[in-house]
Amino acid sequence: ETGVTQTPRHLVMGMTNKKSLKCEQHLGHNAMYWYKQSAKKPLELMFVYSLEERVENNSVPSRFSPECPNSSHLFLHLHTLQPEDSALYLCASSQTSPSTGELFFGEGSRLTVL
Amino acid sequence: AQKITQTQPGMFVQEKEAVTLDCTYDTSDPSYGLFWYKQPSSGEMIFLIYQGSYDQQNATEGRYSLNFQKARKSANLVISASQLGDSAMYFCAMREGRAEGGSEKLVFGKGTKLTVNP
Repeated sequence: ETGVTQTPRHLVMGMTNKKSLKCEQHLGHNAMYWYKQSAKKPLELMFVYSLEERVENNSVPSRFSPECPNSSHLFLHLHTLQPEDSALYLCASSQTSPSTGELFFGEGSRLTVL
Repeated sequence: AQKITQTQPGMFVQEKEAVTLDCTYDTSDPSYGLFWYKQPSSGEMIFLIYQGSYDQQNATEGRYSLNFQKARKSANLVISASQLGDSAMYFCAMREGRAEGGSEKLVFGKGTKLTVNP
């Protein structure tokens, strides 16, 4: 099993659909992250969960709703998205101290909103 | 102001030659960490190398080395003996402050697309 697994890898949805992205980490980490990667823009941090508690919400619109049921799983629930939300959504995890702060990423879920 | 600046949108290098990818950063925190990641077309961000602000020596990992010039706030990635498989996007990132152990906030640059020619 790879360290961080994201499903689905590709998703196409209409603006009125509801879908979810799933992330699972097998590294024993206790912090998980959602990043958004749009074309020609730096990665944008969306949400951070530490010990299953949300510690960061970077002014993300409410049409994105994260869920972290346990330290190994992270979801991003999507509803009434806009075309500009089309992007690669990357999940990452990190470990507790001692740590350099390195993030371990999944392969991403490429989302297209029609 | 941008925290991480990568001024090279694209770079080309011949196979087996060395290449330097530029990264400058901006922080007033004396404690920080610098990272380089590789992103192939598959999408996964692959960690390459790390440099802590208090590290005395430049970091090295196999063919990767980090040219850390603290006074100039630069952290350039040097790839030696380029291979075709090195063709990818490369991102520089920074963690401000000490690693909190479980909740890190990395800020990324826009990336440099490296193409290795045979």
